[in-house]
Amino acid sequence: EVQLVESGGGLVQPGGSLRLSCAASGFTFSSNWMLWVRQAPGKGLVWVSRINPDGSVTNYADSVKGRFTISRDNAKNTLYLQMNSLRAEDTAVYYCAKDLTWNQLDYWGLGTLVTVSS
Amino acid sequence: QSALTQPRSVSGSPGQSVTISCTGTSSDVGGYDHVCWYQQHPGKAPKLMIYDVTERPSGVPERFSGSKSGNTASLTISGLQAEDEADYYCCSHAGSYILLFGGGTKLTVL
Repeated sequence: EVQLVESGGGLVQPGGSLRLSCAASGFTFSSNWMLWVRQAPGKGLVWVSRINPDGSVTNYADSVKGRFTISRDNAKNTLYLQMNSLRAEDTAVYYCAKDLTWNQLDYWGLGTLVTVSS
Repeated sequence: QSALTQPRSVSGSPGQSVTISCTGTSSDVGGYDHVCWYQQHPGKAPKLMIYDVTERPSGVPERFSGSKSGNTASLTISGLQAEDEADYYCCSHAGSYILLFGGGTKLTVL
């Protein structure tokens, strides 16, 4: 059974940093593109970042470029999102998700809530 | 790039059919056959219902179907059931590495 379990969310002050983790199991993690998608309270889904299977290619939404860094450790079956210079508008539930094909995501974690507030 | 356009809400009675539209441009929905639909119940993670315009992942009921015409994709739910009440989001590949979502549609089963 495929499982994705996010952790690392919490309350952080504007300008602060957080590192999210996503532990994967039930599939060959090292063979799949992985993505982060966020959802602000009461709002829709927004793509944040994605990474290729060996970690050599990364892409970011313009809203997080230069502040967020996606990475992965295939030995640990874990995806990461390092978030720096956080802003109030980064407040959201952050989901990690597995790519089925062409950015269409067949498995999602339950999400972890990040709240940026003073 | 802007989000894809969906109606904010649709409704239908049990047993009826409803269709949710998703309008983009020739750079996304109209340009690629990589359009998908997610169902999201309150407080839950999204669930993939349709991918590549018309394909259903294993376990998704045949009542859910997808189509596309020009820059508009559609999700049709036939034989509406109470458990179908949820938010629905479309998505589309938009060239290079870009992934776009629609703003979401709230489906109410009357």
